[in-house]
Amino acid sequence: QSALTQPASVSGSPGQSITISCTGTSSDVGGYNYVSWYQQHPGKAPKLMIYDVSNRPSGVSNRFSGSKFGNTASLTISGLQAEDEADYYCSSYTSSSTVVFGGGTKLTVL
Amino acid sequence: EVQLVESGGGLVQPGGSLRLSCAASGFTFSSYWMSWVRQAPGKGLEWVANIKQDGSEKYYVDSVKGRFTISRDNAKNSLYLQMNSLRAEDTAVYYCARDAPMDYWGQGTLVTVSS
Repeated sequence: QSALTQPASVSGSPGQSITISCTGTSSDVGGYNYVSWYQQHPGKAPKLMIYDVSNRPSGVSNRFSGSKFGNTASLTISGLQAEDEADYYCSSYTSSSTVVFGGGTKLTVL
Repeated sequence: EVQLVESGGGLVQPGGSLRLSCAASGFTFSSYWMSWVRQAPGKGLEWVANIKQDGSEKYYVDSVKGRFTISRDNAKNSLYLQMNSLRAEDTAVYYCARDAPMDYWGQGTLVTVSS
């Protein structure tokens, strides 16, 4: 049950696009289309942004999109806004019927 | 409106026990898997356990197997986490979340394991 691998930090200027990667194995990310992405602001509970690799829950901006290729999933945020500054976590279902999270990525909007 | 409210956190000595509760409202509790997720101070999210709608399947992260037990009472719309043999590394904010995916989360309850 090793954590999924995410970059520790990414940054971008308002209006730009950024992508956060999430690398696992064939036993988790690569084996199932059950990758989710969460946004967490300081002191707040996580918020679901993407589920099942590329689906957006109702109310989430279409500036957020998800994809997957092999054992790596990605979250892309287009048209960066100041309020997007937060920590982002990926998660995946695993072959052991458990869930594993990534280590988290801190997004800084310059 | 979906609401999840955790309770039961607090300060406990190493080796002690604690039972967390999560009161659910605003949705048909018995129709959903439920999960516990924790976050140590300044650290990332860690999935702890989940439980099937009828309680017939339960899964745990390796680090809590044999020490923690997840359960639910669908009649009371409540989720529980019994935590025994607590260690310093169990110190964290514990969230309950509606699964799958984890689309609604509670506000969390802080568990501190310290002498």
